[in-house]
Amino acid sequence: EDQVTQSPEALRLQEGESSSLNCSYTVSGLRGLFWYRQDPGKGPEFLFTLYSAGEEKEKERLKATLTKKESFLHITAPKPEDSATYLCAVHADTGFQKLVFGTGTRLLVSP
Amino acid sequence: GAGVSQSPSNKVTEKGKDVELRCDPISGHTALYWYRQSLGQGLEFLIYFQGNSAPDKSGLPSDRFSAERTGGSVSTLTIQRTQQEDSAVYLCASSPQGQGNSPLHFGNGTRLTVT
Repeated sequence: EDQVTQSPEALRLQEGESSSLNCSYTVSGLRGLFWYRQDPGKGPEFLFTLYSAGEEKEKERLKATLTKKESFLHITAPKPEDSATYLCAVHADTGFQKLVFGTGTRLLVSP
Repeated sequence: GAGVSQSPSNKVTEKGKDVELRCDPISGHTALYWYRQSLGQGLEFLIYFQGNSAPDKSGLPSDRFSAERTGGSVSTLTIQRTQQEDSAVYLCASSPQGQGNSPLHFGNGTRLTVT
């Protein structure tokens, strides 16, 4: 069964304190790994798609990386507006179109 | 442009009642998904529509749940004889291609509370 595990469950940072969020996955075959950001009361907002090990993508203070077993979302010098829940999801090569989501990491950045 | 629109944003219903949740996808998006998000749980896939193809209903938790998509656009998720465990946020998403690797565009969800 395809599984996605995110850690830590919650992370508290000071403004400017860089860190990384982890997404470990077990799938029969990976077609794509997705990162989303979710603010309270809102739907998830797309950030990145990664397709193969070694791939990296960046957007402002965020950088996502991918290996054969896990993905990291690196946050450099975060600001309070980066506070949100970050969700990881995988699309497995099972012939189905659904994404399998992790439970997310709740990030709080204090000024 | 307009994003995915869901209504109502909140719904409180009594156990045993039926509810209908509506989703208006982004115009031109052929793929439409329903997910459920419970407290402390990851998003749980419910159903997927792609164009005129038969929907993938493999995630529906019971036969009390059903969904339809009319004219390849608006979708309605119906829950019959609601139970307290049905309380959750129901999220709809659409994508332009529906091949799994296209990013999903989510609505803000309907928060369902069954009392």
